[in-house]
Amino acid sequence: EAGVTQSPTHLIKTRGQQATLRCSPISGHTSVYWYQQALGLGLQFLLWYDEGEERNRGNFPPRFSGRQFPNYSSELNVNALELEDSALYLCASSLDRTGELFFGEGSRLTVL
Amino acid sequence: GENVEQHPSTLSVQEGDSAVIKCTYSDSASNYFPWYKQELGKRPQLIIDIRSNVGEKKDQRIAVTLNKTAKHFSLHITETQPEDSAVYFCAAGSGGTSYGKLTFGQGTILTVHP
Repeated sequence: EAGVTQSPTHLIKTRGQQATLRCSPISGHTSVYWYQQALGLGLQFLLWYDEGEERNRGNFPPRFSGRQFPNYSSELNVNALELEDSALYLCASSLDRTGELFFGEGSRLTVL
Repeated sequence: GENVEQHPSTLSVQEGDSAVIKCTYSDSASNYFPWYKQELGKRPQLIIDIRSNVGEKKDQRIAVTLNKTAKHFSLHITETQPEDSAVYFCAAGSGGTSYGKLTFGQGTILTVHP
């Protein structure tokens, strides 16, 4: 069974541009989570989507947004990119509200 | 909001020794405490978790203890092996509308020397 898949693996953008990252959860998982992992730091919670709705949001500005599609895949959009947005963006999915998150390999965003 | 502190930031041990990583949390509503292992360039993977109604949980060489009164929990790895070398993250979370919003510690780089 395929795990959580993310694309692209790497993305290079310049300041002010927009980035779109995509995630496909494990088959059967309806919840998708986005986390930011900046260099040397732990994972910071960004967004949680469940059944197509945004359920919770971390302490990030509104230029971080996303959505979940009917097939439960998700995309994360980052507008007006800033240098400090450079990080590994991890997507995770879960089967139900039991706790375990299954992470993807991440998308590394570099903002120049 | 929740704040999770993790110590030490780096830990170096000899193969066969034990390793202990400690975390403290601030929100008494937190009731779920997972530990993730992240090897270099790989995805974080759950290695063990504990819920607030349990004080200790073991899985082979790995154990986690939880002290709700003191708001701290620890990861214990016995008989360490070189393949245990990785970054370990603790996290805390709660249910309800905060479900899935795990607050992670800053990570511990564990190096096991052969």
